[in-house]
Amino acid sequence: QSALTQPASVSGSPGQSITISCTGTSSDVGGYNYVSWYQQHPGKAPKLMIYDVSNRPSGVSNRFSGSKSGNTASLTISGLQAEDEADYYCSSYTSSSFVVFGGGTKLTVL
Amino acid sequence: QITLKESGPTLVKPTQTLTLTCTFSGFSLSTSGVGVGWIRQPPGKALEWLALIYWDDDKRYSPSLKSRLTITKDTSKNQVVLTMTNMDPVDTATYYCAHRLPVGDAFDIWGQGTMVTVSS
Repeated sequence: QSALTQPASVSGSPGQSITISCTGTSSDVGGYNYVSWYQQHPGKAPKLMIYDVSNRPSGVSNRFSGSKSGNTASLTISGLQAEDEADYYCSSYTSSSFVVFGGGTKLTVL
Repeated sequence: QITLKESGPTLVKPTQTLTLTCTFSGFSLSTSGVGVGWIRQPPGKALEWLALIYWDDDKRYSPSLKSRLTITKDTSKNQVVLTMTNMDPVDTATYYCAHRLPVGDAFDIWGQGTMVTVSS
């Protein structure tokens, strides 16, 4: 099972919106509504931002939203803030009953 | 409040077996739906899912590492143990344990991680 495909980097200015894509196959992203997104600041453990495609855990800002179309999931961050600068990883349940992560996307706030 | 903490050696030699312990609090691994997983991250690289154990002792492994991994739980001690055999320098990474949400397959609470270096 290959890792999910994410862009290596994205950038945006404060206040703007950005979207990070996560492409898999019908055996993972496209086959299940079990896509999650994690934020990771340097030297820190990942933090869950979105689960089950579009659900936000308690305490996560509503500026973060998730969606899915076919084999591609997306994380959108609106009203970009300096503290959003971090690495973002998607993950998905797979037909082989394990979880696969994406390669990660570095978000730069200009 | 759920917390998890990883412990184990910081340095192992090639071919040795790595044993990591995840000690948690704030939940019970005997509660239906609960799971604890292990994820690793080599320096400067992406996260890699390793293994997961459920409340009912069902276990899942990464296909690429399945032959080398064993995950077990001790419910009475609130611990999950991961062993990885035949360690290699490419296994150098920060190893995290995490609490799985009762539904779906997301990890909502993570440990701080423990860095393991494989070197002779």
